[in-house]
Amino acid sequence: DGGITQSPKYLFRKEGQNVTLSCEQNLNHDAMYWYRQDPGQGLRLIYYSQIVNDFQKGDIAEGYSVSREKKESFPLTVTSAQKNPTAFYLCASSSRTGDHSNYGYTFGSGTRLTVV
Amino acid sequence: SQQGEEDPQALSIQEGENATMNCSYKTSINNLQWYRQNSGRGLVHLILIRSNEREKHSGRLRVTLDTSKKSSSLLITASRAADTASYFCATDGGASWTDKLIFGTGTRLQVFP
Repeated sequence: DGGITQSPKYLFRKEGQNVTLSCEQNLNHDAMYWYRQDPGQGLRLIYYSQIVNDFQKGDIAEGYSVSREKKESFPLTVTSAQKNPTAFYLCASSSRTGDHSNYGYTFGSGTRLTVV
Repeated sequence: SQQGEEDPQALSIQEGENATMNCSYKTSINNLQWYRQNSGRGLVHLILIRSNEREKHSGRLRVTLDTSKKSSSLLITASRAADTASYFCATDGGASWTDKLIFGTGTRLQVFP
């Protein structure tokens, strides 16, 4: 079955440590996205990539980094510069149609990151 | 910045009743989408309505769009306990060549059996 896989489901980070969240899709989607969700809140865009080897900052990119070396993969690194990283992280992908997006996003099941 | 704001923030109803939630947004759009999120899970795409459409149906879902008021509503008819979830609207902000979506703050729906 096609879909997006996020791993791990739960992740614990110590102060000053970098951690990387994995996101892999087998949907052949061009575009991929990382969102952060805090309790009871909506989603805020961290980074997005519309094509391999290219990505753009979203609204809250500080303290995060990404890479897009392969179409299928869009890992997110939460660096020690991110002072409040405890949150639920969601990865998504979408198919680009050459026009405005006419299709919805497909989301992974999320990674819950906690600072200990 | 969050484009959409859902109203109400929380809604509790009995099974069989209809649930209506509203979304307001700030800028022009190409389309507006609604998503559902079960607790602790990813979002699931429910329905997309384009800016030149006024109403769209999918099963028990009915979405309306009023671009003059920059608002949309999602109606779930004959609700079930399994409809308990958070519902989000999302817009593209009128961007010309990007798939980037901006999500609202969500409505938490509780359906009691």
